[in-house]
Amino acid sequence: GEDVEQSLFLSVREGDSSVINCTYTDSSSTYLYWYKQEPGAGLQLLTYIFSNMDMKQDQRLTVLLNKKDKHLSLRIADTQTGDSAIYFCAESLLGGSGTYKYIFGTGTRLKVLA
Amino acid sequence: NAGVTQTPKFQVLKTGQSMTLQCAQDMNHEYMSWYRQDPGMGLRLIHYSVGAGITDQGEVPNGYNVSRSTTEDFPLRLLSAAPSQTSVYFCASGGLAGGFNEQFFGPGTRLTVL
Repeated sequence: GEDVEQSLFLSVREGDSSVINCTYTDSSSTYLYWYKQEPGAGLQLLTYIFSNMDMKQDQRLTVLLNKKDKHLSLRIADTQTGDSAIYFCAESLLGGSGTYKYIFGTGTRLKVLA
Repeated sequence: NAGVTQTPKFQVLKTGQSMTLQCAQDMNHEYMSWYRQDPGMGLRLIHYSVGAGITDQGEVPNGYNVSRSTTEDFPLRLLSAAPSQTSVYFCASGGLAGGFNEQFFGPGTRLTVL
């Protein structure tokens, strides 16, 4: 089945690192993504990783992928108050029409305390 | 480019009423999709389309119809609204090549069914 799970809330202090975790069930995922949703807005792509990679670093963001355990994580270094948002994990899967569809997780609400 | 536009931004319906949520994109994207966002449930895929004339069901299609007569437009129809359809609805679009494609989201439509 297709299921993407995340914890609902995370609270960290400004300047600390945040780690947001995600587990997925479909091993045929080709790409995995992290999207950010600010209050009252749609989602925006933050970063992504190809399924044959273990790690990707992009400035303050580090994505780790454990394919064996179907576990994806997003680490935000030196978390700032502007990082407060909902973070969604997503995967792209082969859909019924022979092309790709995208499944999103439940979202993790990150609150950064000053 | 306007990106992905959705109308209306807010809507209140009575149980049993019908309405159409509009979505349009000007990026010539083949892939378009509708999600609903509910607290603690994340984004759930309702329907998606990989091109004009082609649509497919997502995780929660019941109570919703879609059609894709042009590349630009992907309206979502509620035939007989129910309180369980109270939610925030997001339309997204993206390309189809090779599995990786950033999804671009509209600003959302907040629907309340009384």
